[in-house]
Amino acid sequence: EIVMTQSPATLSVSPGERATLSCRASQSVSTNLAWYQQTAGRSPRLLIYGASTRATGIPARFSGSGSGTEFTLTITGLQSEDFALYYCQQYTNWPLTFGQGTRLEIK
Amino acid sequence: EVQLVESGGDLVQPGGSLRLSCTASGFTFSSHAMRWVRQAPGKGLEWVSAISGSSTTTYYADSVKGRFTTSRDNSKNTVYLQMNSLRVEDTAVYYCARKSPEGGGSHDYWGQGTLVTVSS
Repeated sequence: EIVMTQSPATLSVSPGERATLSCRASQSVSTNLAWYQQTAGRSPRLLIYGASTRATGIPARFSGSGSGTEFTLTITGLQSEDFALYYCQQYTNWPLTFGQGTRLEIK
Repeated sequence: EVQLVESGGDLVQPGGSLRLSCTASGFTFSSHAMRWVRQAPGKGLEWVSAISGSSTTTYYADSVKGRFTTSRDNSKNTVYLQMNSLRVEDTAVYYCARKSPEGGGSHDYWGQGTLVTVSS
């Protein structure tokens, strides 16, 4: 099983600033990586797939990068609705696995 | 508009059974693989099962293998999760999700979730 590790667990950033979230895989997943956003009481929303491709309707302030075992989700110009939980997920191998999440909170 | 609506969540005793349903609309259901993902209270996301569009292929997480079965009825645009021998640790919100047609194994649409509580 590929273990996905996200850091930090909690990230405090001011509105308008940039947030950088990390995700590490225990073995290479190439670019078979997705990022999701989950706000309180809501279902997850796909942000990024293929490590760097924005899903339909996702604003350009969200960007993903990385390949192999190291990945980054960057959110620029943070808006109030961006403060949420973020998960990465690999889809190179079964079982599909998620990271434990990073909580992005208002500083 | 793509919609996924889960149902069937309930309170059940350990060792009991439950069947969840997820009814889809707004897309050609039979052309898409579907997955179940769960989230225990206050915890992260855990993939549970997957089924191909034609039902020829299924996959399960080790934690549910032998106890859970996923199936689908393309004539009803519905995917199911039959859960047997339920354990306290199966307590979670269960989401159905569509495999993204462009995004490899990512999930582009999710239902609202249905709560399964396993407790005596």
